[in-house]
Amino acid sequence: GAVVSQHPSWVICKSGTSVKIECRSLDFQATTMFWYRQFPKQSLMLMATSNEGSKATYEQGVEKDKFLINHASLTLSTLTVTSAHPEDSSFYICSASNYPAGNTIYFGEGSWLTVV
Amino acid sequence: LAKTTQPISMDSYEGQEVNITCSHNNIATNDYITWYQQFPSQGPRFIIQGYKTKVTNEVASLFIPADRKSSTLSLPRVSLSDTAVYYCLVGGVNTGFQKLVFGTGTRLLVSP
Repeated sequence: GAVVSQHPSWVICKSGTSVKIECRSLDFQATTMFWYRQFPKQSLMLMATSNEGSKATYEQGVEKDKFLINHASLTLSTLTVTSAHPEDSSFYICSASNYPAGNTIYFGEGSWLTVV
Repeated sequence: LAKTTQPISMDSYEGQEVNITCSHNNIATNDYITWYQQFPSQGPRFIIQGYKTKVTNEVASLFIPADRKSSTLSLPRVSLSDTAVYYCLVGGVNTGFQKLVFGTGTRLLVSP
């Protein structure tokens, strides 16, 4: 089946620095990808919609200047957490659809971010 | 986007059949119903998807009544490795289905 891959799986960074997480669709093209964050024992919270070739659309309450999203190609979207703080520590997950080939959303493995 | 309601948690024993029901009263005509499984520190994994009636694959069955306002995921003969959180999501192409909004999910605990 369709595969979505994230990198890195986990990352530790210092407060005030920036960190980038990549999301790739390995065997299909995705004009749209989505970014979620998840805190322990909680559900996934949608952060933003990443559109290839255009600006991302952010959910209410998500700071677009803090969580920079770039969707430069049909198989790659990146999430950059800028000026990271300990409260940004979380599990970040991306997803992509294989539409129009199918109607299913596939998720990446997730990336753990720890800000110290 | 249709809102879904699931039981917060369920308990079962190895070898039993588990049925998890999801309510989605506001499901739209073009919406599909998709179930995902999530283990700790992993992304959700696709289990099964359907539009109406019954769908079966190698790991589960999905039952959808005629009014489509609910759906039931059936896991036959669960094992310890089926302990996970199960999410029911609905969405359709015409309603931007790709933008899936997660509910609380159902935390299934399978005991020996």
